[in-house]
Amino acid sequence: SAVISQKPSRDICQRGTSLTIQCQVDSQVTMMFWYRQQPGQSLTLIATANQGSEATYESGFVIDKFPISRPNLTFSTLTVSNMSPEDSSIYLCSVEYRAGGTDTQYFGPGTRLTVL
Amino acid sequence: GENVEQHPSTLSVQEGDSAVIKCTYSDSASNYFPWYKQELGKRPQLIIDIRSNVGEKKDQRIAVTLNKTAKHFSLHITETQPEDSAVYFCAASESGSQGNLIFGKGTKLSVKP
Repeated sequence: SAVISQKPSRDICQRGTSLTIQCQVDSQVTMMFWYRQQPGQSLTLIATANQGSEATYESGFVIDKFPISRPNLTFSTLTVSNMSPEDSSIYLCSVEYRAGGTDTQYFGPGTRLTVL
Repeated sequence: GENVEQHPSTLSVQEGDSAVIKCTYSDSASNYFPWYKQELGKRPQLIIDIRSNVGEKKDQRIAVTLNKTAKHFSLHITETQPEDSAVYFCAASESGSQGNLIFGKGTKLSVKP
């Protein structure tokens, strides 16, 4: 499977500020995604990061709040803008990786964000 | 859109017993159903998946069954061990796209020695 890294692994931020999370994969992948996992909850898809075009956002998530970049096939960033305590969550990137003729989705280690 | 229901939310078993977690989905076009295991503080790890052209898949102590007519799929863990303790999530792909995974709410499995 692909090796996925995220930076930072965790951060504590003040309300009203922004944080950019980086996701790096060790091989080229077509699909990259960003998820949010609130404490003790399930995973919710924020958006699909499209290489060379604007991200595709799920219902309830907007570009102004969660701008995403995907400059190439191995890297993506998610920015959490104008943060409030409700944004405290784990943010995970995932990639769809092809092995053995099938596509499977793997997750990065996550970024634990606390907003004060 | 797709909706995935998962039951039970918590499950406690004795070591060596079997554990079964069930999920239902709403979108008949969904065709990919993975299961992830998440240990405390760690990333979700794919443990098994099934595609709609197969009714059952097994990998050692873990098996998944799929009933497309009833739109439900289940995870079966046999001979449970304490290291199986974790939160398990089922997911379904939305509208046939493997990318847009919709997750169930998770099942916290505790295996008591």
